[in-house]
Amino acid sequence: DGGITQSPKYLFRKEGQNVTLSCEQNLNHDAMYWYRQDPGQGLRLIYYSQIVNDFQKGDIAEGYSVSREKKESFPLTVTSAQKNPTAFYLCASRKTSSLYEQYFGPGTRLTVT
Amino acid sequence: RKEVEQDPGPFNVPEGATVAFNCTYSNSASQSFFWYRQDCRKEPKLLMSVYSSGNEDGRFTAQLNRASQYISLLIRDSKLSDSATYLCVVNIANPFNNNDMRFGAGTRLTVKP
Repeated sequence: DGGITQSPKYLFRKEGQNVTLSCEQNLNHDAMYWYRQDPGQGLRLIYYSQIVNDFQKGDIAEGYSVSREKKESFPLTVTSAQKNPTAFYLCASRKTSSLYEQYFGPGTRLTVT
Repeated sequence: RKEVEQDPGPFNVPEGATVAFNCTYSNSASQSFFWYRQDCRKEPKLLMSVYSSGNEDGRFTAQLNRASQYISLLIRDSKLSDSATYLCVVNIANPFNNNDMRFGAGTRLTVKP
């Protein structure tokens, strides 16, 4: 079955540690996205990538980093510079044409204490 | 003004009721529109695309009004399983930039027995 996988589902870290969230897709989609969702709020774009080895900052990129070495994979690192990292992180992908819908992975719930 | 605005609700309706949600968008260049459903602590899933001519999928009907810049979702004969948050998504097609999807904060629906 084609889809997007994210791991782990739940992640706990101590403040000051970097943590990397995994996102893999086998839909052959060119574009991939990372969003953050806080309780009662809409999705906010962190980073996106349209092709391999290229990515762009979204609306809230500070304190985050990404890489796109393979078409299928778009990992997100939450660095210690992110002031409020506890949130629900969603990875999405879609075909290149911007008229298409996005498909989401199941998300990673990160808690930093 | 937010780019995509939704009434956050909550909408509390009895089983069998008809309920309608509206969503307004600010960018007249918006070209494609979607309704997503998000269950508690889960990822958003595409419910339906919204076409200019309006479209229906079983108990769900979506309408687009370009002149007034809003889309709507009508749910007939509500089921308990319809309880979820409904996200309005607007896509501003731009061949040079894939960062063009805008999400509403969502409207929460609870269907009660």
